Amino acid sequence: GAVVSQHPSWVICKSGTSVKIECRSLDFQATTMFWYRQFPKQSLMLMATSNEGSKATYEQGVEKDKFLINHASLTLSTLTVTSAHPEDSSFYICSASSITVYGYTFGSGTRLTVV
Amino acid sequence: DAKTTQPTSMDCAEGRAANLPCNHSTISGNEYVYWYRQIHSQGPQYIIHGLKNNETNEMASLIITEDRKSSTLILPHATLRDTAVYYCIAVPMNTGFQKLVFGTGTRLLVSP
Repeated sequence: GAVVSQHPSWVICKSGTSVKIECRSLDFQATTMFWYRQFPKQSLMLMATSNEGSKATYEQGVEKDKFLINHASLTLSTLTVTSAHPEDSSFYICSASSITVYGYTFGSGTRLTVV
Repeated sequence: DAKTTQPTSMDCAEGRAANLPCNHSTISGNEYVYWYRQIHSQGPQYIIHGLKNNETNEMASLIITEDRKSSTLILPHATLRDTAVYYCIAVPMNTGFQKLVFGTGTRLLVSP
């Protein structure tokens, strides 16, 4: 079946530093990828949608200069949290879609803790 | 905003069928009903989806009412590993990939 690999699974960083999260589709080409954020005991909130080779479309209220998304190839998208602050601590999840795959396949998530 | 509403939580005994309801009374004719589940600290897992007809796969069955205003996900023989948050999502059938808008979901607890 379709597999999406997300790395790292958890990361701790100091306030003010940047963190990059990778999302890879292992056995299919993902034309569209989505990035979500989930705070404890809450549902997933969509942050942005990215299409390969295009600029990401951010949801209202999400700072595009703080959450940099790159979707340079059909199998890789990255989310960089710049100048991270403790309030950015959250569970970040990517999702990939393809016309060859049923539904939307999610990565296993990255737990970011900013100290 | 999510177009679906679900009970906050449900309990089920291991080995019994778990029936999870979802209300989507404002769903459009071109919107699928998708079900995902999220086990603690993991990414959501696809379960099943349907448009009008009932659907069944190796994981579950999906029963959609004739007026499409509600549906029920059925896990025929729940196990402890089925404990998770279950999300019912309406997804447009348009061309291109539409973003999934997650509601609050139903927290299913399967007990021995």
